[in-house]
Amino acid sequence: DTAVSQTPKYLVTQMGNDKSIKCEQNLGHDTMYWYKQDSKKFLKIMFSYNNKELIINETVPNRFSPKSPDKAHLNLHINSLELGDSAVYFCASSHGDRGGYTFGSGTRLTVV
Amino acid sequence: GENVEQHPSTLSVQEGDSAVIKCTYSDSASNYFPWYKQELGKRPQLIIDIRSNVGEKKDQRIAVTLNKTAKHFSLHITETQPEDSAVYFCAASSANSGYALNFGKGTSLLVTP
Repeated sequence: DTAVSQTPKYLVTQMGNDKSIKCEQNLGHDTMYWYKQDSKKFLKIMFSYNNKELIINETVPNRFSPKSPDKAHLNLHINSLELGDSAVYFCASSHGDRGGYTFGSGTRLTVV
Repeated sequence: GENVEQHPSTLSVQEGDSAVIKCTYSDSASNYFPWYKQELGKRPQLIIDIRSNVGEKKDQRIAVTLNKTAKHFSLHITETQPEDSAVYFCAASSANSGYALNFGKGTSLLVTP
């Protein structure tokens, strides 16, 4: 019954590897997002998708490629991982401008 | 794009006192202003939000005020309790930002007994 679920919760990987984080929401929301929270706790928007279409890409390196197979899923694939990619990544969803923002529990990515 | 400034970065109060956190935003098109509480190792949790057609909103010990002209909004917590200790984030969003939340840098609130 989890509203926004993301997997895995923890991910430890070596530099240069490719990894994916999955996100699913069962709230019927039409907009999904990926946020990055760095070691200083700054929360920054990475991508916003509305009805499977990319709305914004906030100066994220093209090593990061979101994929939205349907409105309920927004997965994040990261190529050639770097040390600086270590962070907590949060998926979220909302009803566009009607709010109802809900965050997933986060994925802690550690690149070694 | 939207720029949200938040102050202070840390705030320490005694139990029972009030705490006030202030934010300013730059995009006049922003129309939704939520506040989130994040405890260590947890996801951000919405505690209160306000839209641009409202000047003030209250929910028990928590209130938010919005001044659209000055482009600033504030969170007020009264009768603080130790369990209020957490990091608090303000955010702003608009259609221009694809409804994404642009966050302030957070305020670490410590309530001492």
